[in-house]
Amino acid sequence: GAGVSQSPSNKVTEKGKDVELRCDPISGHTALYWYRQSLGQGLEFLIYFQGNSAPDKSGLPSDRFSAERTGGSVSTLTIQRTQQEDSAVYLCASSNPGSGNTIYFGEGSWLTVV
Amino acid sequence: GNSVTQMEGPVTLSEEAFLTINCTYTATGYPSLFWYVQYPGEGLQLLLKATKADDKGSNKGFEATYRKETTSFHLEKGSVQVSDSAVYFCALSGPSGSARQLTFGSGTQLTVLP
Repeated sequence: GAGVSQSPSNKVTEKGKDVELRCDPISGHTALYWYRQSLGQGLEFLIYFQGNSAPDKSGLPSDRFSAERTGGSVSTLTIQRTQQEDSAVYLCASSNPGSGNTIYFGEGSWLTVV
Repeated sequence: GNSVTQMEGPVTLSEEAFLTINCTYTATGYPSLFWYVQYPGEGLQLLLKATKADDKGSNKGFEATYRKETTSFHLEKGSVQVSDSAVYFCALSGPSGSARQLTFGSGTQLTVLP
């Protein structure tokens, strides 16, 4: 597509439920990133996928968080047993490391856990 | 590890004032440097970038010069407009062969008054 597409744009969920956030990167971009932006704070790196390499999961805050990337394209970030502190904007980004590696962001999925 | 330190906000200026937002970094090797902007209610957008020492990135009247000797990438604009009100993030990414994810500063909120 023309840009990084994320869905849903807004999600309100009850504490303890699982949520899935989807990211569709820019066509041809082999690198995909997930970041989290909490209210009033900066951006926190979560996970990075590059081609067929093992993902860099070093930023995931707990084992309730996981992500997968199917077929080297679409990615899903899953948060199990959501907690109120998970409320944040979850940003997906993609880049093409072979072409300048400028990282482009989607508009984010706003998650509210009540 | 990599880190980015940004001037704390919020910053409030009158229209046509001169803007400087300081950014310094710590990184191994020769990272690429970026400024991203987040307008109210929107996602992150790349504003400008520089990939090597002494490079100057520029866009929409904003400029920043990659200074290796002072490990800085300060953002400047000669005459700000109300429409420049946004949050500005300084970021760096690792050089080729290292982790490619962005490390962000904490963001600086800019408000321009008419």
